[in-house]
Amino acid sequence: DTGVSQNPRHKITKRGQNVTFRCDPISEHNRLYWYRQTLGQGPEFLTYFQNEAQLEKSRLLSDRFSAERPKGSFSTLEIQRTEQGDSAMYLCASSLAVGTALNEKLFFGSGTQLSVL
Amino acid sequence: AQTVTQSQPEMSVQEAETVTLSCTYDTSESDYYLFWYKQPPSRQMILVIRQEAYKQQNATENRFSVNFQKAAKSFSLKISDSQLGDAAMYFCAYRYNNNDMRFGAGTRLTVKP
Repeated sequence: DTGVSQNPRHKITKRGQNVTFRCDPISEHNRLYWYRQTLGQGPEFLTYFQNEAQLEKSRLLSDRFSAERPKGSFSTLEIQRTEQGDSAMYLCASSLAVGTALNEKLFFGSGTQLSVL
Repeated sequence: AQTVTQSQPEMSVQEAETVTLSCTYDTSESDYYLFWYKQPPSRQMILVIRQEAYKQQNATENRFSVNFQKAAKSFSLKISDSQLGDAAMYFCAYRYNNNDMRFGAGTRLTVKP
């Protein structure tokens, strides 16, 4: 168990640029979640996958945000045409869930801190 | 809408003493799950303890225990024998379905030696 890995740890970009973040979950975990955390707040749910299926994406903040999880392994979160308001920490979490379990333990990565200038 | 409120932005405790962090939530559901997560400076959220709403017995994990009051929609975390390594942000969270885990704004805990 090497934990959830997120890259890069920090990303600085100019407004209008596209950015992509990567998350490598714990290998046997079937669920993968993306959250956004702004300063002084708790994480805010964005989207999640069960294996390769994206089961919820209505909470993505706008159509500039998209996520993929090809082959049910690593995942990427892309933000197109970044805005200053996108500056935040983006957290990934994974879990091993049985059926529709809701109490499974989520394992979080250390996040990607995005700064949009 | 389900919301989670942590009314204490900051708390401090003397090493080896006991501290209680407060959390209230708003829901119309009868079955749900509650969690406390810890976020140290490394930024990695770590599960501290979890409680299922249909269980009346309060969850405990070593030095960590909760006081779950379902009728009052209250879910406080008690840390006994506080250690320097307990210093972190603590987030209370509520989960009703797979789509969403709602987090509070957090409480920053300082442990004084």
